[in-house]
Amino acid sequence: SSELTQDPAVSVALGQTVRITCQGDSLRFNYASWYQQKPGQAPVLVIYGKNNRPSGIPDRFSGSSSGITASLTITGAQADDEADYYCNSRDSSANPVLFGGGTKLTVL
Amino acid sequence: QVQLVQSGAEVKKPGASVKVSCKTSGYIFSSYAISWVRQAPGQGLEWMGWISGYNGNTKYAQNFQGRVTMTTATSTAYMELRSLRSDDTAVYYCARGVGTSADFDYWGQGTLVTVSS
Repeated sequence: SSELTQDPAVSVALGQTVRITCQGDSLRFNYASWYQQKPGQAPVLVIYGKNNRPSGIPDRFSGSSSGITASLTITGAQADDEADYYCNSRDSSANPVLFGGGTKLTVL
Repeated sequence: QVQLVQSGAEVKKPGASVKVSCKTSGYIFSSYAISWVRQAPGQGLEWMGWISGYNGNTKYAQNFQGRVTMTTATSTAYMELRSLRSDDTAVYYCARGVGTSADFDYWGQGTLVTVSS
């Protein structure tokens, strides 16, 4: 069955750049969206489409894609970026929307 | 401003049903779909299905086929889940989506549903 795979955990030093990846066959034909979720809060959309940020999302967040891998890059990570990050995408399988398992980002 | 406000926490016994509401405001309801996404304690996000705000068409994830019903009425979306099991214990979110995209730009605050005997 279709799925999106993410690394369970990633860490980054304060102010450095980190890339969070999402891999899956659905990404060959569909863009990934990326969501930030902090404890006890609803997810927040941070990247959608080719590389679009909703209003209010800092420009240190960016997205890219190559083949079956989508990436979320945070350039100059801040302490406030510590959160879980989820990717999702459309899919042509019986389940039209897939979510990755999430990546816990720790800012050191 | 766009808002999605969900109903309050629920405690249900196994085998019962639960109906969660998602009251929307600040946008044209018929121009967007509403998806329902759940998150079990300590786990990731799971898409359950969506309903068109335009014509009420639905698409459910395979895992929930036959057990979930999504409806709308006057800018409010509803999600009913039947035959509840303990592993249905989760926070249930509604989220606004553009058409049939997977871009969910606004989310409700979440509704905790606890299934326990």
